[in-house]
Amino acid sequence: SQQGEEDPQALSIQEGENATMNCSYKTSINNLQWYRQNSGRGLVHLILIRSNEREKHSGRLRVTLDTSKKSSSLLITASRAADTASYFCATANIIQGAQKLVFGQGTRLTINP
Amino acid sequence: DSGVTQTPKHLITATGQRVTLRCSPRSGDLSVYWYQQSLDQGLQFLIQYYNGEERAKGNILERFSAQQFPDLHSELNLSSLELGDSALYFCASSAQGAFWETQYFGPGTRLLVL
Repeated sequence: SQQGEEDPQALSIQEGENATMNCSYKTSINNLQWYRQNSGRGLVHLILIRSNEREKHSGRLRVTLDTSKKSSSLLITASRAADTASYFCATANIIQGAQKLVFGQGTRLTINP
Repeated sequence: DSGVTQTPKHLITATGQRVTLRCSPRSGDLSVYWYQQSLDQGLQFLIQYYNGEERAKGNILERFSAQQFPDLHSELNLSSLELGDSALYFCASSAQGAFWETQYFGPGTRLLVL
């Protein structure tokens, strides 16, 4: 099964509102990354947060990491129609002796104008 | 534009056939990853190469194989195709192939098996 589990699976909000997506994982990690995918296109890296960091910002994006709860959240502030996409968290860890970047199932975000 | 290129963009073929997908990594990146994305399975890691050598294997079927050439481009070969192999196939690259690195994804190849 996937290491990262995003919540919710789908989110629909009005333009200008904030969007929050959550990711939970099961084992210890080296870092956690968030990626974005527009429909049918390749994934685009958004932000990386290391296991010893608690919060990171990039433009309208804010990522938090709580290693004690094994969870992360991605906040997009002042959403725009162009933010409509699927968002994936990916955890970098060692699973069964193999180093892997494991992607979750994603949250489909729709921004309504 | 990530700098990763994939060809072809679309591929339509019949069951039982064999196809080859091609990927060129970003300039300077030594590692290539292949992923399969389908509606029911999500994004599945298939295989990773680093500087021509296989580094990690994921959920890759025996009917599938890949290689990375001396010029660092990679090919994913899919044989004895089944309807269930219809999916988006992505290639990604990273600088040194470390699992904590950012990966840069290509635009994908959409495979339809009829």
